[in-house]
Amino acid sequence: GQNIDQPTEMTATEGAIVQINCTYQTSGFNGLFWYQQHAGEAPTFLSYNVLDGLEEKGRFSSFLSRSKGYSYLLLKELQMKDSASYLCALDASGGSYIPTFGRGTSLIVHP
Amino acid sequence: NAGVTQTPKFRILKIGQSMTLQCTQDMNHNYMYWYRQDPGMGLKLIYYSVGAGITDKGEVPNGYNVSRSTTEDFPLRLELAAPSQTSVYFCASIRLAGASEQFFGPGTRLTVL
Repeated sequence: GQNIDQPTEMTATEGAIVQINCTYQTSGFNGLFWYQQHAGEAPTFLSYNVLDGLEEKGRFSSFLSRSKGYSYLLLKELQMKDSASYLCALDASGGSYIPTFGRGTSLIVHP
Repeated sequence: NAGVTQTPKFRILKIGQSMTLQCTQDMNHNYMYWYRQDPGMGLKLIYYSVGAGITDKGEVPNGYNVSRSTTEDFPLRLELAAPSQTSVYFCASIRLAGASEQFFGPGTRLTVL
């Protein structure tokens, strides 16, 4: 099975940088996803990491360390619209694509 | 493309009633999924399908049924609704397995009283 752990809630100030961590235990996986979900809306794709290291995409970056069972999402130059829930998900290895989601981290950005 | 569409957006059911949540995608995606999301929780997989005519159970299938007669449609059936099925339901799809982002529908907010 798979187990994914994320902090429940985080707060940060507009313009700052915040790092949202995701730790996991799994017998194997293809890659790790990050999704953003605004209140009352559907999740939307942010990033997908397969290899160890940092993937940068504008203000958002995602990091993966397979040996440490750890990933993080880094958000720079925070804006009020970044207030949302951030979901970490594992893409299980094997023939079927069945992602497993963590509970999500609710990020609140203050002015 | 409309992407993934779901109907209805909201629904209130009485205990014991039945209903079908509709999900349609126009992207010719092979894989489709049904999730439920309870407050403060992540997404729990109910059922998924890897193609027309093929469905399989996810983590929380009890009380639900699905069918996949076409590539586009993946309806979720609730029989004998219970208060524990009060949740937000999301349908999602991907084109191919692996390294493909999931596209989500807007969700159906269901309340069972």
